[in-house]
Amino acid sequence: AQTVTQSQPEMSVQEAETVTLSCTYDTSESDYYLFWYKQPPSRQMILVIRQEAYKQQNATENRFSVNFQKAAKSFSLKISDSQLGDAAMYFCAYTDTGNQFYFGTGTSLTVIP
Amino acid sequence: DAGITQSPRHKVTETGTPVTLRCHQTENHRYMYWYRQDPGHGLRLIHYSYGVKDTDKGEVSDGYSVSRSKTEDFLLTLESATSSQTSVYFCAISESKGTGSNYGYTFGSGTRLTVV
Repeated sequence: AQTVTQSQPEMSVQEAETVTLSCTYDTSESDYYLFWYKQPPSRQMILVIRQEAYKQQNATENRFSVNFQKAAKSFSLKISDSQLGDAAMYFCAYTDTGNQFYFGTGTSLTVIP
Repeated sequence: DAGITQSPRHKVTETGTPVTLRCHQTENHRYMYWYRQDPGHGLRLIHYSYGVKDTDKGEVSDGYSVSRSKTEDFLLTLESATSSQTSVYFCAISESKGTGSNYGYTFGSGTRLTVV
């Protein structure tokens, strides 16, 4: 089975600052997808950003961007200009077949006013 | 985004009783999934369905069964609930859009199940 590792159980950031959440994964596949999901206290899982492995360009969605290092099997999420509403649990996820996603254990992000 | 609803949102049940959780979608997606979320484990796949009456097991399927008699409904049953099945359960649909690309899951709002 594939594995996804998030080594930072908790992170904190000052409002308006930048924070980077780490994710590494293990796979022998060359074609796959990576995602970051946000889970606020409401419990809803919200897709933040997605990356296709065959694309070298890092994905960007407004204040959220990724640093995708395929050879290193690393997929970090950068949040710029952090806002109070960014406080949540963040999950990194991997899929190759699309029939199963593999999730990391999550990083709890606190935003300090 | 597809409409996807789960019921109930919360449930407390006793050990040994059967429990059924329901997932309903309104957009005719072929693939539906059940995951459980536990601290320290992230989300793990229980079962998934790729069509009416077509289902398959995930990595944590023991003690669970599923049924899909209609495209829009995917039911998860705990045949005899145990305390180890206390968890948050999420239903999801796949937004593959038929292009071969994968656009991720859309999740329901989850069911918090407590087995006492």
